[in-house]
Amino acid sequence: AQSVAQPEDQVNVAEGNPLTVKCTYSVSGNPYLFWYVQYPNRGLQFLLKYITGDNLVKGSYGFEAEFNKSQTSFHLKKPSALVSDSALYFCAVRDIGADKLIFGTGTRLQVFP
Amino acid sequence: DSGVTQTPKHLITATGQRVTLRCSPRSGDLSVYWYQQSLDQGLQFLIQYYNGEERAKGNILERFSAQQFPDLHSELNLSSLELGDSALYFCASSVNSASSTDTQYFGPGTRLTVL
Repeated sequence: AQSVAQPEDQVNVAEGNPLTVKCTYSVSGNPYLFWYVQYPNRGLQFLLKYITGDNLVKGSYGFEAEFNKSQTSFHLKKPSALVSDSALYFCAVRDIGADKLIFGTGTRLQVFP
Repeated sequence: DSGVTQTPKHLITATGQRVTLRCSPRSGDLSVYWYQQSLDQGLQFLIQYYNGEERAKGNILERFSAQQFPDLHSELNLSSLELGDSALYFCASSVNSASSTDTQYFGPGTRLTVL
């Protein structure tokens, strides 16, 4: 079965520092991976996706993610964190043979001024 | 703004009642998905419709049902509500159907509270 894991419930980082939110996946076949962000009392906003091609995927709001097949990881990164980046981040994988997304448990990112 | 709209934003009701959640997909999107977000279960896929037909089913209870209408909006019906049904219900839409790599865009959600 397809799955993703987000090993950190919370990540704390100082504003201006680089941030990484970790995600590992387990799939049979080629993985289609996604990152979404959820701000308080808001819906999920799409950040970026990996389908094929370059291992470094650039997305919205300065975020990028690095696909690593050997480590089965898809970590979300940003060179310089902003306080406004504080939110809940979800990694997801598209299920094989179906169109549904399977989500990780989420990682709360807290950026301190 | 994703372009996916959901109504109502909040719903408070009692156990045993029935409610209907409504979703309008982005213009041009044919697929609609319903997800449930709760503290204990996380984000879980419920059901997908494509151009009016049910396409995939997830962990959806028998008390729950959905449909997609000719104008492509969708409704999720929850009946015989229990306290454990309290959750945030999201609708998402995408252009295509299975075997696609299209992005799913999510609405703002409906927060259901069952008292």
